[in-house]
Amino acid sequence: DQQVKQNSPSLSVQEGRISILNCDYTNSMFDYFLWYKKYPAEGPTFLISISSIKDKNEDGRFTVFLNKSAKHLSLHIVPSQPGDSAVYFCAARRNTDKLIFGTGTRLQVFP
Amino acid sequence: DAGVTQSPTHLIKTRGQHVTLRCSPISGHKSVSWYQQVLGQGPQFIFQYYEKEERGRGNFPDRFSARQFPNYSSELNVNALLLGDSALYLCASSFGPPDEQFFGPGTRLTVL
Repeated sequence: DQQVKQNSPSLSVQEGRISILNCDYTNSMFDYFLWYKKYPAEGPTFLISISSIKDKNEDGRFTVFLNKSAKHLSLHIVPSQPGDSAVYFCAARRNTDKLIFGTGTRLQVFP
Repeated sequence: DAGVTQSPTHLIKTRGQHVTLRCSPISGHKSVSWYQQVLGQGPQFIFQYYEKEERGRGNFPDRFSARQFPNYSSELNVNALLLGDSALYLCASSFGPPDEQFFGPGTRLTVL
């Protein structure tokens, strides 16, 4: 039972353009959502988060949008840079419960 | 400041053996969580410990166990290893359960 889904295993974007990574969830009780970035041979690094009481959170080049009615969130990276090339995981949790991760999307930013 | 450290980095075991993985949290962090990441999948929650008490357990068999020590470091033990236990095992620490988790680099376990 995959409660958090990332249906695009990979995404390729040109440098300077916008990258949009998508994530869908099924559990309406989730109240906190996070995005992590993972480079090879490293653990996931926290990127940005959003509470279910908000529909947008912005941090520099990164913006997360939450659509509760559609049970969908997205991460926008603009402008995309080659250093952004990594695997991106979305995760969700209810209260202080465990994090539930999606399967990840590999982003490649090319010059 | 040192981040979350895990040892060993890599490990090769054979089926039926036992393994112990170790994690040292960031200084000041009292919560440690363990995750298993199989190739092509996202991290899957195994355990969470806070103040040396188990706070949560994922859907893993009893062959998996863990503990947290007074200095807040933690061990993950897996008995009777199966081929399917081959994965990257990640440890994450935080001040407390609802706080942001910081991940270590992981231990790559290969079961032959």
